[in-house]
Amino acid sequence: SQQGEEDPQALSIQEGENATMNCSYKTSINNLQWYRQNSGRGLVHLILIRSNEREKHSGRLRVTLDTSKKSSSLLITASRAADTASYFCATGSGNTGKLIFGQGTTLQVKP
Amino acid sequence: EAGVAQSPRYKIIEKRQSVAFWCNPISGHATLYWYQQILGQGPKLLIQFQNNGVVDDSQLPKDRFSAERLKGVDSTLKIQPAKLEDSAVYLCASSPQNSGTGRGEQYFGPGTRLTVT
Repeated sequence: SQQGEEDPQALSIQEGENATMNCSYKTSINNLQWYRQNSGRGLVHLILIRSNEREKHSGRLRVTLDTSKKSSSLLITASRAADTASYFCATGSGNTGKLIFGQGTTLQVKP
Repeated sequence: EAGVAQSPRYKIIEKRQSVAFWCNPISGHATLYWYQQILGQGPKLLIQFQNNGVVDDSQLPKDRFSAERLKGVDSTLKIQPAKLEDSAVYLCASSPQNSGTGRGEQYFGPGTRLTVT
């Protein structure tokens, strides 16, 4: 089952612009994580935000979490062509540490 | 540190044949995960090991899929017999501990792309 739903499914922007992706989920969580996947490769962890946090930054990435709305957003500022990839949110909950991934947003950054 | 290793990278088989994938996690990582990623979708957890014990295999199709992690280090995932709908990328990941409780992320291998014809 896929808990996270991501929006938009696809996003195309010019280099230098900002990219915003959204993730909604259904049940209570311990944390929410964002991963990047380049074509034909495995996933790379970007950032983790805990359920008691509202915002987190890492370099050009900013993640927000609104547990009342069960939603999160990932903002990539000053995008680069190398940011072209699929981005997935994943929610962690329960005692096992199981992560449930969303369907992903495909980002294309045009040079 | 060396990353998560997987082999083979690609595999093509006919339906009803069997196939096995191998994963070597990052040294010292207690938790190992196998995911199935169908084209255009996010990864779906098949099975999670903590050391050599199974923590979650609720979404593993046990009539045809099996996995083991002997000695709590590397792991194999087997499909027998394969169906057309098993065509996907099989990803292995590891983490030092239980990442869902907020203590860390998962580290993914490059995956094995399986095509069943």
